[in-house]
Amino acid sequence: GNSVTQMEGPVTLSEEAFLTINCTYTATGYPSLFWYVQYPGEGLQLLLKATKADDKGSNKGFEATYRKETTSFHLEKGSVQVSDSAVYFCALSEITGGFKTIFGAGTRLFVKA
Amino acid sequence: NAGVTQTPKFQVLKTGQSMTLQCAQDMNHNSMYWYRQDPGMGLRLIYYSASEGTTDKGEVPNGYNVSRLNKREFSLRLESAAPSQTSVYFCASSKQGINQPQHFGDGTRLSIL
Repeated sequence: GNSVTQMEGPVTLSEEAFLTINCTYTATGYPSLFWYVQYPGEGLQLLLKATKADDKGSNKGFEATYRKETTSFHLEKGSVQVSDSAVYFCALSEITGGFKTIFGAGTRLFVKA
Repeated sequence: NAGVTQTPKFQVLKTGQSMTLQCAQDMNHNSMYWYRQDPGMGLRLIYYSASEGTTDKGEVPNGYNVSRLNKREFSLRLESAAPSQTSVYFCASSKQGINQPQHFGDGTRLSIL
């Protein structure tokens, strides 16, 4: 079946470091891909999305490129801030036997000042 | 902008008690969802409603029922709570289509003793 696999956390970085959170997926069709962020005590918020191969989603300095050949959608940011500390979820949506969104397990990021 | 509103925010129940979690959205979205979030397991879909008047089971529906009361409201009921249902419950809504992101409430933290 369809699935999303994220790198395990927690990831701990110093402020201004480069961030990569890996995400790979399996899907039978042509999914849309998303990154969501969850701050403590809150629900998930959309961070960025990409709807077809080679699309790049970007928002707030974060980027991710839809790579169909490697079935990946890795999240990157060039210089993290303390305020980026949160849990990040990769997700895919497709219509196979009904509409479905599948979330990865989440990756917790800690950024130290 | 209220977005998705969940009530209550916290609840403690005893095993065997019943409870209804309420969710309302003011974005005129057709689709609504209930998820549970457990440590290390990401979000798992309990039930969803693709449009007013329809509901479908998700990945983990056992022990739950839902009602799509109208376009705005989608409630989740635990008829006889069990300790395994201790979790954080999130309601979400979206426009229809796989390219559409989901908008989440802030969650209900439910403990069952």
